[in-house]
Amino acid sequence: QKEVEQNSGPLSVPEGAIASLNCTYSDRVSQSFFWYRQYSGKSPELIMSIYSNGDKEDGRFTAQLNKASQYVSLLIRDSQPSDSATYLCAVTAFSGNTPLVFGKGTRLSVIA
Amino acid sequence: EAGVAQSPRYKIIEKRQSVAFWCNPISGHATLYWYQQILGQGPKLLIQFQNNGVVDDSQLPKDRFSAERLKGVDSTLKIQPAKLEDSAVYLCASSSGLLGVATNEKLFFGSGTQLSVL
Repeated sequence: QKEVEQNSGPLSVPEGAIASLNCTYSDRVSQSFFWYRQYSGKSPELIMSIYSNGDKEDGRFTAQLNKASQYVSLLIRDSQPSDSATYLCAVTAFSGNTPLVFGKGTRLSVIA
Repeated sequence: EAGVAQSPRYKIIEKRQSVAFWCNPISGHATLYWYQQILGQGPKLLIQFQNNGVVDDSQLPKDRFSAERLKGVDSTLKIQPAKLEDSAVYLCASSSGLLGVATNEKLFFGSGTQLSVL
């Protein structure tokens, strides 16, 4: 059973701080990793993807991947109240026929 | 570019009734997915189509759920009969190809159908 684990939170950070969201996965053949943001009552929206070990930066977002530890994280710098949402980690293998498996999500609350 | 379209937006039914959801993916997207998201959980894949063929339906409760994608474009998901535990948001998503095959493949979600079974 392929699993993606996330701390459900809520994670509360003050405005302007760095929010750190973590995700672990069980399937060692996983190769593609995604972070989705989901506002309450809305559908998930892709914010980051990462495929190689190391860091990938996009604006205020940095995704970090460590395949040896089966760990992927998302850092949000200069957190804003508008970043308050549930962040879903999703993982798939590099086979084409493996579905995207989602974690339960971490609820982030940025306090103004 | 138009996004993934879903209807209806909300549906309330009684248990043992039937219900159908409709999805129109982004134009040109070959792969279509139906996900079920129960409150407080991440989306769970129900079925994945590549054009009009089924790629994965291992988590679809086939005794009550069915889905089709005629002509490889629109798709419908049906539940008959519905149970209380089917209350969830049903998300349709599409991608231009199979995820994991190319590193630039991404999944785009529709706005979902919120189903309440009473």
